[in-house]
Amino acid sequence: GAVVSQHPSRVICKSGTSVKIECRSLDFQATTMFWYRQFPKQSLMLMATSNEGSKATYEQGVEKDKFLINHASLTLSTLTVTSAHPEDSSFYICSAFWTSGGINEQFFGPGTRLTVL
Amino acid sequence: GEDVEQSLFLSVREGDSSVINCTYTDSSSTYLYWYKQEPGAGLQLLTYIFSNMDMKQDQRLTVLLNKKDKHLSLRIADTQTGDSAIYFCAESLTNSNSGYALNFGKGTSLLVTP
Repeated sequence: GAVVSQHPSRVICKSGTSVKIECRSLDFQATTMFWYRQFPKQSLMLMATSNEGSKATYEQGVEKDKFLINHASLTLSTLTVTSAHPEDSSFYICSAFWTSGGINEQFFGPGTRLTVL
Repeated sequence: GEDVEQSLFLSVREGDSSVINCTYTDSSSTYLYWYKQEPGAGLQLLTYIFSNMDMKQDQRLTVLLNKKDKHLSLRIADTQTGDSAIYFCAESLTNSNSGYALNFGKGTSLLVTP
């Protein structure tokens, strides 16, 4: 299957700082990428849909000014957690959407563990 | 979205079959998926089933779909210790805001004992 990478895999930061997470599709172009958030022993919750060349679409309850998403190219989407606080500590997972011949798939990155002190 | 329901825990012996059940919410979901997540890792797509199918078999994996009851199951034959992981059921969202995003269950933690 296709490969999606995330960088960094782990990040620890101080409260009030901003953190950027990169999501790359390595061997295919993705016009749509998704950002999910996963709390311990919980499911993945969709945060936003990232569309190349346009503004991201955020799910209800997700602050767009806090979680800035940029999808500047067909292989890269970034999520910036601005002014991070301890409650933002979580596992952030991106996925890249791929469709061909009527089959839709999402390929997931390995996730980024964010810890805010 | 609404909750996709899964039992939280399943323990089986090595060599036995495992059956993980899921109840989804959106009757218009086009695809239903099973993902596997190992500790500290991202999600790996195991298999998926198109909504007009009742069953799909892929090596040791068998997926059964009951659209009337919105029930999905994953059977793993000859379960191995390497199958120990969390298994997520997911439905494709038809909400136009989300496009092709997925709505996940909370995951079933499968423990395979020797």
